[in-house]
Amino acid sequence: ELKVEQNPLFLSMQEGKNYTIYCNYSTTSDRLYWYRQDPGKSLESLFVLLSNGAVKQEGRLMASLDTKARLSTLHITAAVHDLSATYFCAAENRPNNNDMRFGAGTRLTVKP
Amino acid sequence: EAQVTQNPRYLITVTGKKLTVTCSQNMNHEYMSWYRQDPGLGLRQIYYSMNVEVTDKGDVPEGYKVSRKEKRNFPLILESPSPNQTSLYFCASGRQGMSSETQYFGPGTRLLVL
Repeated sequence: ELKVEQNPLFLSMQEGKNYTIYCNYSTTSDRLYWYRQDPGKSLESLFVLLSNGAVKQEGRLMASLDTKARLSTLHITAAVHDLSATYFCAAENRPNNNDMRFGAGTRLTVKP
Repeated sequence: EAQVTQNPRYLITVTGKKLTVTCSQNMNHEYMSWYRQDPGLGLRQIYYSMNVEVTDKGDVPEGYKVSRKEKRNFPLILESPSPNQTSLYFCASGRQGMSSETQYFGPGTRLLVL
């Protein structure tokens, strides 16, 4: 059964610094998703990664997928306070790709 | 405006009193899903539906029921709520068969079972 693990669970960083959030999953999955959640709010889609080697970028966030290593990363470049949020990765649990499994989330705090 | 709506947004109830949380989407999505969010556990899928009259269990279906009689609606039913079902619930919808698509989440329903 698919397990999804994120590291770290808590991340405090200074503005302007770079950091990476890691998402490991235990069995083969077809797609990997990244979501953002602000406190008290719903989830907002960031990226959908569809294949090995996929890389997507939006602003200061870049996500990549290595299906051989069963690893996705979310890289933050030159962090700003507005990026403070909880970030979740999620994968589809084969053979039924509609069964989604989420990581526990990474709570990111960006300090001035 | 494209959206997923949930009602109620907040609910306090007592053990054993049946309740229904409604979910509706206006994007003509085939796929709908329910999740619960608990601290330190991320989101866990309860049930999902790939289309009208097609539902399936997710990771944590015990104690919940769903129905999909219409494409736009996907209610979550707790026949006999218990305190361990106190949680934040999210409904989501998405398009089937579009590999680049993601899910769109509702605003959440915070449930407290006493």
